[in-house]
Amino acid sequence: DSGVTQTPKHLITATGQRVTLRCSPRSGDLSVYWYQQSLDQGLQFLIQYYNGEERAKGNILERFSAQQFPDLHSELNLSSLELGDSALYFCASSSRLAGYNEQFFGPGTRLTVL
Amino acid sequence: GENVEQHPSTLSVQEGDSAVIKCTYSDSASNYFPWYKQELGKRPQLIIDIRSNVGEKKDQRIAVTLNKTAKHFSLHITETQPEDSAVYFCAAVSTGGGNKLTFGTGTQLKVEL
Repeated sequence: DSGVTQTPKHLITATGQRVTLRCSPRSGDLSVYWYQQSLDQGLQFLIQYYNGEERAKGNILERFSAQQFPDLHSELNLSSLELGDSALYFCASSSRLAGYNEQFFGPGTRLTVL
Repeated sequence: GENVEQHPSTLSVQEGDSAVIKCTYSDSASNYFPWYKQELGKRPQLIIDIRSNVGEKKDQRIAVTLNKTAKHFSLHITETQPEDSAVYFCAAVSTGGGNKLTFGTGTQLKVEL
């Protein structure tokens, strides 16, 4: 158990819908990252938050957005869902903004768009 | 941005043999190189990492080497066991890019009895 929690574990929805994925980082970690893992794209970085502020952005679609709340939990919002958004979404956390610090991954949320 | 290439995509070895997975990176500003192991349907878990000021690091049966000049780094697993079967990902972290991980495409390692 990494100490990072994600809910829900599984999510099945239809095209065009909107969903929210939730992540709670390890106690004391200020950085939260979101990654998408799909068969054709591999593990891809989406976005990083540090202490409530967006700090780095990857190839995140405009239909996707995220935020980190004062209690440091984070939410990833996916809207106007398409079949290609079906993937495993991982949240990770680390103690610092940058540098040599390990990222601890949560168990992931498996999103299936039908 | 950073680009990480990983080879081979699949690797099959006999139990007790060694396994080597190789990665190259493109951004000379990358300074931290972790390796993650991912079992089917599970989270990626860090197994070893190396910083850019170190050429080699070892932890029991696993070791990582880094050649900054060539922008290569490799994972070595000795005395492989069936429980080593998993997908292994190399990654790179570049300075100035927050702390985002740029992953390689993964290597499916199968250790056969």
